Amino acid sequence: GDSVTQMEGPVTLSEEAFLTINCTYTATGYPSLFWYVQYPGEGLQLLLKATKADDKGSNKGFEATYRKETTSFHLEKGSVQVSDSAVYFCALTPRGGSARQLTFGSGTQLTVLP
Amino acid sequence: DAGVIQSPRHEVTEMGQEVTLRCKPISGHDYLFWYRQTMMRGLELLIYFNNNVPIDDSGMPEDRFSAKMPNASFSTLKIQPSEPRDSAVYFCASSLEGAAEAFFGQGTRLTVV
Repeated sequence: GDSVTQMEGPVTLSEEAFLTINCTYTATGYPSLFWYVQYPGEGLQLLLKATKADDKGSNKGFEATYRKETTSFHLEKGSVQVSDSAVYFCALTPRGGSARQLTFGSGTQLTVLP
Repeated sequence: DAGVIQSPRHEVTEMGQEVTLRCKPISGHDYLFWYRQTMMRGLELLIYFNNNVPIDDSGMPEDRFSAKMPNASFSTLKIQPSEPRDSAVYFCASSLEGAAEAFFGQGTRLTVV
């Protein structure tokens, strides 16, 4: 079945550092890819998405590019802020699939220190 | 819209007691999901409903767990009897038909002592 593998956390960075959180997937065909973010005490919310190869999703300074050749969707941000401290989840659905088919990774805890 | 609303936000109960978690999905959404989040197992899908009908409950861990959706604006997840290993954060989420984005509530942190 489909699966998502994320880099192990926790990740601790200083403010203004560069962030990369690795995500690779296993799926048939061309899935849609997502990053969700969970701020402390909150539920998950969609951060960005990409639905086809070479698409770049972006939001709030975060970016991720759908790489079919490496089956990856790494999350990046050029300069993190303390307010970015959260748990980040990589996820996928089959192409054209819906939320009922979401497969989540295990999540990566990010802490940004001032 | 106020988003997905869950209650209570925190629940502490003694082992053996019945626990009921509540969820109000976003108005107009066709799907409702119940997830459980723990450090050991991450985010697990327990059950989901489509138009108030349970579709897949294969993630429900045991018969002690049950979920209902009596109408489009309300769902419950019940644990009876509760056990310490049920301690987790339980999330409700909802989505539109055909949409890939799920909208999550703030969760209920359950502690069974």
